[in-house]
Parts: sequence; C-alpha cells; structure tokens
Amino acid sequence: DIVMTQSPLSLPVSPGEPASISCRSSQSLLHGNGYNFLHWYLQKPGQSPQLLIYLASNRASGVPDRFSGSGSGTDFTLKISRVEAEDVGVYYCMQALQASFTFGPGTKVDIK
Amino acid sequence: QVQLQQSGPGLVKPSQTLSLTCAISGDSVSSSSVTWNWIRQSPSRGLEWLGRTYYKSKWYNDYAVSMKSRITINPDTSRNRFSLQLSSVTPEDTAVYYCARNAYSSGNNAGFDHWGQGTLVTVSS
Repeated sequence: DIVMTQSPLSLPVSPGEPASISCRSSQSLLHGNGYNFLHWYLQKPGQSPQLLIYLASNRASGVPDRFSGSGSGTDFTLKISRVEAEDVGVYYCMQALQASFTFGPGTKVDIK
Repeated sequence: QVQLQQSGPGLVKPSQTLSLTCAISGDSVSSSSVTWNWIRQSPSRGLEWLGRTYYKSKWYNDYAVSMKSRITINPDTSRNRFSLQLSSVTPEDTAVYYCARNAYSSGNNAGFDHWGQGTLVTVSS
C-alpha cells in the first residue's frame, strides 16, 4: 500500500491568519494522464469527512476559495488563505492512485 | 441531491458477522459513473478504506488486501442500496463505519463526494 504522511499533526491558528498543511506519499501519485491522484478532506467535529480538494488542486462543489491545493508527485500542500472559525477540524489527504486507497494520519486544526 | 443513509446494529459479538446497509437517494447503485465504498475509522487505525462495488456493464468489487478474506460488499438494485458484511469480527474491528460515493470527473477519480452519517460498531461480548 502507498503510505501517506502529513505535517504538522496539530496546527493552532489565529482567525484571519493563513494555514498550510503538508502531505507526502511513499510513491508518486502522478498518473500518466497528468493528473495527481491526491484528495483532501476535512472532518469537522462530530461529522463525517467532507471532500475539499480533488486531484490535488480542484475545489469540490461549495468549497470556499480560501482553500487551495497544490503539489505533484509525492509532495502536496493544502493552504487556507485566512482561517475562519468554521474551518476547525481534522484535515486528511488521501491517495486515489491505487485501490486500496490510503489516508494520511490527519492534521488537527484549531483556533488559538 | 445525493444522500446516503446507513443502518445496522451497533453491537456485534466476537466471531460473528458485522452487517451494515447504505441506502442511496438521488443516485443509482447501478450508475456507471461512480463507485460505492465502505470506509471505517478508529483511533488506532485512522481512516481505512475497506472496499467498493460498482457497475460497468457488469458488477465489480475491490477489497482492501487486509480485509479480503472476511469482507463482502453487495449491491441491491431492487432497493437501491449496498451492503457490507465483515465476518469473524474481533474487538479490533470496533470502529465508525462509513459508506461513501466516489465520483469521477472525465474518467478520473474525483474523491468521495458524499458520505453516510457513520455507524459506530462495537465488537464485544
């Protein structure tokens, strides 16, 4: 299986400040068609995970534009330009290149 | 609007079979443009993909290697739902279980865009 790692695992952020989460995979997620098969999810407290970013850089439907994804190969980044109170929760990256799909351990974002 | 509604028991005895169902509204289990998945989450293992079922001219299943000998995912076209069965459970199978739809964009995996509400299943005698 492809192993996913994330850093940091905990990220306290002040409202209005930017935040950045790193995700690395044990092998390249770049498909031959040019797409990176890497997705980002947010699990808010007490809720099911929700899709934020798919194929490394595409915002899912309804996701605010303060969220952005970048990266290629084995290194990816999720950025929040200005953190809002509703952004608290655990952020997960997930590789979708190979089924069995695998998730990172999660990064817990909370408000300072 | 796609909605996934999970049902099934919250307590299963060791060595028995865990059974959960995911009812689909707003889409079809037979849709050829998505797959239907089961994922679980526990403090010790995090989020863990278990397997999927999908239809592309015929039915297919894929399972996580770690689950392969114990897991069955079946579509139910008459009731527009799909199910999970996990046999020979142990306390290590205690987790929150989710069903989820995997969307595709121009043929590329576009993520789990709809999730069920989650079911906490405890394995205990």
